[in-house]
Amino acid sequence: GAVVSQHPSRVICKSGTSVKIECRSLDFQATTMFWYRQFPKQSLMLMATSNEGSKATYEQGVEKDKFLINHASLTLSTLTVTSAHPEDSSFYICSASEPGVLNTEAFFGQGTRLTVV
Amino acid sequence: GDSVTQMEGPVTLSEEAFLTINCTYTATGYPSLFWYVQYPGEGLQLLLKATKADDKGSNKGFEATYRKETTSFHLEKGSVQVSDSAVYFCALSGPPGNTGKLIFGQGTTLQVKP
Repeated sequence: GAVVSQHPSRVICKSGTSVKIECRSLDFQATTMFWYRQFPKQSLMLMATSNEGSKATYEQGVEKDKFLINHASLTLSTLTVTSAHPEDSSFYICSASEPGVLNTEAFFGQGTRLTVV
Repeated sequence: GDSVTQMEGPVTLSEEAFLTINCTYTATGYPSLFWYVQYPGEGLQLLLKATKADDKGSNKGFEATYRKETTSFHLEKGSVQVSDSAVYFCALSGPPGNTGKLIFGQGTTLQVKP
């Protein structure tokens, strides 16, 4: 199946700093990628839909100024957590699916464990 | 809106026991249904999927049948192994046309003891 790579897998940052997480589709072009957040022992909550060449679509309750998404190319989307605080500590996962393929599955990155201290 | 409900965990079984994890959904239209597995500290891997009513998805001994009449997609395995210990997520595809946007259940933790 298609491969989605996420980097870094773990990051620790200080409160007030910004952290960038990258999501790459390695063997296909993804016009749309998705960013999810997972709290400990909970399900994945969709944060936003990243669209190549246009603004991301954020889910209700997600601060767009806090979670900046850039989808500058067909293989790369980035999520930047700005002015991070301890409550932003979480597991962030991206996904992408192959465009034009009916009923395709979503391929997930390995996830990024963010710890804000 | 669309939603997925899974049985609460954790589910604790002995090796070689039979596994069932219940999943029901509400959705408009005809979504595709998925089971994903998450091992500790890792991302999600697709376990199996079904794209229309009465389809059976299967992989690695796991099976699930898309039941439109009961809006269910229960996961089963005849004989679990310790290596099956993980969190299992039931999911459905979002808006029609399936852009890859998924709605997840809350996840069910499976613990298999030797």
